[in-house]
Amino acid sequence: DTGVSQNPRHKITKRGQNVTFRCDPISEHNRLYWYRQTLGQGPEFLTYFQNEAQLEKSRLLSDRFSAERPKGSFSTLEIQRTEQGDSAMYLCASSLLGPITPGYTFGSGTRLTVV
Amino acid sequence: KNEVEQSPQNLTAQEGEFITINCSYSVGISALHWLQQHPGGGIVSLFMLSSGKKKHGRLIATINIQEKHSSLHITASHPRDSAVYICAVRGINTDKLIFGTGTRLQVFP
Repeated sequence: DTGVSQNPRHKITKRGQNVTFRCDPISEHNRLYWYRQTLGQGPEFLTYFQNEAQLEKSRLLSDRFSAERPKGSFSTLEIQRTEQGDSAMYLCASSLLGPITPGYTFGSGTRLTVV
Repeated sequence: KNEVEQSPQNLTAQEGEFITINCSYSVGISALHWLQQHPGGGIVSLFMLSSGKKKHGRLIATINIQEKHSSLHITASHPRDSAVYICAVRGINTDKLIFGTGTRLQVFP
């Protein structure tokens, strides 16, 4: 197991286009989290899953954003009708049960640039 | 006011110096994490604390729950320690992390 994998690493898109990111967590981890990080700021929570159930969503996750984890393994984050303000690093993390337990692991992120 | 505040925002040091980064938070927590982020985005978990003190190599993390304060210390700093160090807390009855804005550390030879 090579850790949490995110694809693509970089994405440049034109404003108004849809983009989809993928996160493959550590295989035995049942919790998966999405965070967004803008330049010079700490990451902000977007949403998290336990297995395939989406347990919590931030108000940052507008109706243009949707996340799924259909089989409780990998997850996708889709942004529709991208805006320049969506430009950020999108980070995925996974853990077993919750971040209070050992094994809270981050991926390397997907850097989105909307032009 | 952010729920998690770090100081300083930027820190430069000479190799070998003792480094302290501080984190204060205003919410009830069940755990606090110290994380390291290198250019390019990857985040590595250094410590998870709910009380007391932890040590790993040259890194030491302490937390005072009553004062809602944590510190990360680096002894005998080295240029490879140069990174952004982020404090993050897990609230009570929630599984999400609330992050500070990070402390950018540069250690010069």
